[in-house]
This record gives sequence, C-alpha cells and structure tokens, in this order.
Amino acid sequence: EVVMTQSPATLSVSPGERATLSCRASQSVSSKLAWYQQKPGQAPRLLIYGVSTRATGIPARFSGSGSGTEFTLTISSLQSEDFAVYYCQQYNNWYTFGQGTKLEIK
Amino acid sequence: QVQLVESGGGVVQPGTSLRLSCAASGFTFSSYVMYWVRQAPGRGLEWVALISYEESHNYYSDSVKGRFTISRDNSRNTLYLQMNSLRAEDTAVYYCARGGIDGNYFDFWGQGTLVTVSP
Repeated sequence: EVVMTQSPATLSVSPGERATLSCRASQSVSSKLAWYQQKPGQAPRLLIYGVSTRATGIPARFSGSGSGTEFTLTISSLQSEDFAVYYCQQYNNWYTFGQGTKLEIK
Repeated sequence: QVQLVESGGGVVQPGTSLRLSCAASGFTFSSYVMYWVRQAPGRGLEWVALISYEESHNYYSDSVKGRFTISRDNSRNTLYLQMNSLRAEDTAVYYCARGGIDGNYFDFWGQGTLVTVSP
C-alpha cells in the first residue's frame, strides 16, 4: 500500500497570507496526485488532479506542484472560505489518502 | 449539474447487512467509473470499492473484500453498495463519488450517508 503522509497536521495562517501544505508518498506515484478540500459536515471537493491541474471552478489562488514522492498545495492569498481540512490522494496504485492538514485561522 | 445523492444508511447491529444507494443525475452515468469512499467519525478518507462502466470490473479494498459488493444499474442511474457481515469498524459516512473522465481521481462526491454499526 502506498502511504501518504501530510504535513503539518495543523497549519495556522492569517487571511491574505500564503499557505503551503505538503504531501509525501512512500513510493513514486508518478503524476497521479490529487488534492481535496473538506469543510465540516460537507463532502470533500476536488481541487487539483494530475499534480497541478485545477478542477472546474477552482480559483487560481490554488496551485499544486511536485513529482514522484513530494507534492505541495499552495494557496496564494487565503480567503475566509479556504479554512478547512485538505487531503492529498494518490491514484497510481489503487487509492490512498493522506491523513489531512487542518488549515486554521491564525 | 452533477448530483449524487446517497441513501440507505442507518444504525445496525454487528453481523447484519445494509444496502446503500446513490442516485446520479446531471451526467451520462454509464460513461463513468463510480466509487464508494468512507470516512469514519473524526477520521480520514478510505477508498472502499470501484465499479467500471458496464459492471464488468469491480474492485475492493482489503478491509471490505468478501463482505461488500458494489453494483450499478445504468438504466436507473443508480450505484449500490451491499454491505454484509458488518463490523463496528465499518461505522462511517459513506460517500459515492464519480471518477474523473481522464483519471482515477474523484471529481464529484455525494453528501454522504452515515452507517453506524453498534450492538
């Protein structure tokens, strides 16, 4: 099983600032990496797939990068609606998710 | 617009069965791989099962293999998950999700249905 490890577990950032979330895979997942956002009581929402392609309707302030085993989700200027839990997911070898990063208001 | 609406969750005892449904609308259901993903209370996400377009290929996570069965009725635009021999560790919100047209990520999710397995 490909283990996905996200860091940090909690990230405190002020609105308007940049947030950088990390995701590491236990083995290469090629470019088969997605990011999801989940707010309390809601289903996850796809943000990014293929490492860096934004899903339909996702604002340009969300960007993804990386390759192989190291990946990053960057939110360039945090808006109030961005505070949520973020999950990375690999789909190169079945499907596994990271444990999530909670992005909270500083 | 794409909509996925799950139903069928509830409180059941260990060892019993439950069938979940997911009604799809707003897209050509038969053209997409479909998935079930679950989330235990306060926990992360776990892929459970997938089914190919015409039900020719089904795959399961090790944690549910042999107990759960995924199926679909393309004439009714509905996805199912038959869950047998339920255990306490199956307690979770169960989401149906649509596969991306160009990759096996999950591009749309339903709102989820809660399954609680408790004596």
